Amino acid sequence: AQSVTQPDIHITVSEGASLELRCNYSYGATPYLFWYVQSPGQGLQLLLKYFSGDTLVQGIKGFEAEFKRSQSSFNLRKPSVHWSDAAEYFCAVVLHGSGNTGKLIFGQGTTLQVKP
Amino acid sequence: GAVVSQHPSWVICKSGTSVKIECRSLDFQATTMFWYRQFPKQSLMLMATSNEGSKATYEQGVEKDKFLINHASLTLSTLTVTSAHPEDSSFYICSARSPDRGFRMVIYYGYTFGSGTRLTVV
Repeated sequence: AQSVTQPDIHITVSEGASLELRCNYSYGATPYLFWYVQSPGQGLQLLLKYFSGDTLVQGIKGFEAEFKRSQSSFNLRKPSVHWSDAAEYFCAVVLHGSGNTGKLIFGQGTTLQVKP
Repeated sequence: GAVVSQHPSWVICKSGTSVKIECRSLDFQATTMFWYRQFPKQSLMLMATSNEGSKATYEQGVEKDKFLINHASLTLSTLTVTSAHPEDSSFYICSARSPDRGFRMVIYYGYTFGSGTRLTVV
């Protein structure tokens, strides 16, 4: 079945350290992939997305992600984390094909905690 | 950019009553909207896909008669929780799909989310 998996439920990093959040997908065709961030009690904000073309995608707030077809991954990275980055991060994939109507399906989410 | 407004932000209602949540696309037309439910510390679970002018498509396990979805215009979709019970208490989020860009005869879509509604049933 088509799905997206975030292996890390909770990650803690020190402020100023680099960050990588993992995302793996299971999908037969070229996936459309997204990373969203959610602060407590809030909606979702788009960080970046991949449709096609350049596999290294730049997003907002200094985030980037790399699509690796051979590894079925779309990991999110940031070279230097700020305390304000503490939040919940979701990887998502769009399901295509008959009956799917472009549904956006989410991974389990990764909670990022930033230590001072 | 695309903006989606969701109201109310929070609502408290008594068991047995109905609650309506609105989701509006402010600066674009959304033929397709999605409704999600999120429990504390968990991911977003898709409840249904709302298409303008037609019946919503519900995910497996979602009660159609309890969660009524109406998408009467290109900018408004509503979710009505009928005969609410405490177990319906949750965070509900809507999303509207909008064309992002086209490339080689393919249209790619973006998904913009509302700010969510915290429903508490007492």
